[in-house]
Amino acid sequence: GAGVSQTPSNKVTEKGKYVELRCDPISGHTALYWYRQSLGQGPEFLIYFQGTGAADDSGLPNDRFFAVRPEGSVSTLKIQRTERGDSAVYLCASSLRLRAGETGELFFGEGSRLTVL
Amino acid sequence: QQQVKQSPQSLIVQKGGISIINCAYENTAFDYFPWYQQFPGKGPALLIAIRPDVSEKKEGRFTISFNKSAKQFSLHIMDSQPGDSATYFCAASIMAGGSYIPTFGRGTSLIVHP
Repeated sequence: GAGVSQTPSNKVTEKGKYVELRCDPISGHTALYWYRQSLGQGPEFLIYFQGTGAADDSGLPNDRFFAVRPEGSVSTLKIQRTERGDSAVYLCASSLRLRAGETGELFFGEGSRLTVL
Repeated sequence: QQQVKQSPQSLIVQKGGISIINCAYENTAFDYFPWYQQFPGKGPALLIAIRPDVSEKKEGRFTISFNKSAKQFSLHIMDSQPGDSATYFCAASIMAGGSYIPTFGRGTSLIVHP
């Protein structure tokens, strides 16, 4: 498909385990974002990549959270020593690097629902 | 600290009515204000957006009104339809590294009764 793809769609894990969530952005999109959405809340910013580098990681809640994008395309969000409070839907989005007159539209995937028991 | 405040949390409207959702922001560095629509089990999708040099933008039944001095903006959905039932998020965005980073409000769950 042409949209943002996220895997797995659902992940159930036990407290203390390690989790990886994958995002495959729209081809040609240089910007990639991770957001976290808790039930009944708006998406909460975690990290933003422009190419391979993390341009802004100010939203990562603590050092248990880490994300990489080694080749400037696919990204992986890694969560160590998971806690029950990490349970949420993790959304990935991608966008173009802006040129004059372009909109700042983010294209979101359907998310990975993480449940920590 | 909630940088973008959105109200109401939920809204019920009859078919054909007007739905109004309001948002307010604090940071004057925000310079792009999109609205996203989200259906259950899906990611948010851009509905309409406005830049701060414009006071109103209309696309079909959807209109954004923007008040820069009050740091407020709102979404109006005219002739609301049952298919509009979804969660709506306002956002305020800052340019960083060549792309916008949106900060989202908490969302408004809209139900349009037939």
